[in-house]
Amino acid sequence: AQSVTQLDSQVPVFEEAPVELRCNYSSSVSVYLFWYVQYPNQGLQLLLKYLSGSTLVKGINGFEAEFNKSQTSFHLRKPSVHISDTAEYFCAVRGGSFNFGNEKLTFGTGTRLTIIP
Amino acid sequence: GAGVSQSPSNKVTEKGKDVELRCDPISGHTALYWYRQSLGQGLEFLIYFQGNSAPDKSGLPSDRFSAERTGGSVSTLTIQRTQQEDSAVYLCASSLDGTGVSGTQYFGPGTRLTVL
Repeated sequence: AQSVTQLDSQVPVFEEAPVELRCNYSSSVSVYLFWYVQYPNQGLQLLLKYLSGSTLVKGINGFEAEFNKSQTSFHLRKPSVHISDTAEYFCAVRGGSFNFGNEKLTFGTGTRLTIIP
Repeated sequence: GAGVSQSPSNKVTEKGKDVELRCDPISGHTALYWYRQSLGQGLEFLIYFQGNSAPDKSGLPSDRFSAERTGGSVSTLTIQRTQQEDSAVYLCASSLDGTGVSGTQYFGPGTRLTVL
């Protein structure tokens, strides 16, 4: 089984400042990692994913994340945020091996990013 | 192409009534998932379909919840005798396949269920 911890429930950031949203995971098997964004009253939109290969992955809207296996982390970063980045961000994990039960996503509790003009 | 669609977008019902929520996955996606998002519980997995079969129903909270998928496409989540604690946003997702790198899930807009 896997679990995800997003320690920061709310992160306020000034416009054009950098931001990092933290995600740590726990798993006894190899994992795939995802960040999703949820704008108000909308579903989840995939920002980026780590499946294998390069540990630095780039996503949409200028976001990137780095997979760190030794620290079991997958932090999300953006060098300069915009008002339109105001949303809730969810980190998610699923098992990377072909075993039953590895198909579903396990989500963190989410981080609400608020951009201050 | 079209994404995952769900209907209705909002549903208000009275306690004790049955409700049906519908999900249309992305064309060609063989795997389909239902999740529930509520204030107290966050995002929870409910059920996973591969084709028309549901190999993982472990997240269904009670026997009042059931789901089916027909023709390897549309899925319906049914909640019988609704309770106030069923109020939540029900999200559907689909993926090309359920396993490996093809298992990246794409989500629909959700159905907001309110039980009065």
